[in-house]
Amino acid sequence: NAGVTQTPKFRVLKTGQSMTLLCAQDMNHEYMYWYRQDPGMGLRLIHYSVGEGTTAKGEVPDGYNVSRLKKQNFLLGLESAAPSQTSVYFCASTSFDYEQYFGPGTRLTVT
Amino acid sequence: GQNIDQPTEMTATEGAIVQINCTYQTSGFNGLFWYQQHAGEAPTFLSYNVLDGLEEKGRFSSFLSRSKGYSYLLLKELQMKDSASYLCAVRDPGEQAGTALIFGKGTTLSVSS
Repeated sequence: NAGVTQTPKFRVLKTGQSMTLLCAQDMNHEYMYWYRQDPGMGLRLIHYSVGEGTTAKGEVPDGYNVSRLKKQNFLLGLESAAPSQTSVYFCASTSFDYEQYFGPGTRLTVT
Repeated sequence: GQNIDQPTEMTATEGAIVQINCTYQTSGFNGLFWYQQHAGEAPTFLSYNVLDGLEEKGRFSSFLSRSKGYSYLLLKELQMKDSASYLCAVRDPGEQAGTALIFGKGTTLSVSS
């Protein structure tokens, strides 16, 4: 099993550009999450999904959109990137047990 | 609101024992987690406590007191590879959040020889 994978691993965007981050899991997990991690701020929840076709806002959703068209994939979109969105983005998934499995992260820089 | 506090940094020497504390104030409680995160890598699961008491797993132990809103992670026989950030997280008690976690800002542990 690959576990949780994220694409791309690194990206540099200019202000105003758009992009989509892809998260995929092969563990048949129901729940999937997108977090961002900034120095001194810890991990903060952006959006989450409790099942295929469902999404909901987390703590810091502004400027992001998500979609979960297939159970194994969770996409995070930035429609118009801003420097404040420079961060490391982690995707995670879990089933009805307790452990969250994290992907390797995407390092995004917006100039 | 929800708040999770843990020290920002700690230092220790190889072979020693270190205790990383975490206090939380949340509207409800549905489990506390500890994750380890090496620089540039993803967090990895260390331990889970939902009932009061001590959970031991090899060199690592985690303690929970729900009445005090307090947990600690105990690392014994420290090794250089234990240098990492340790993240305390509480499971969001809201049903609609599934099993989303609320994280503290993490404690960076530096182990020296």
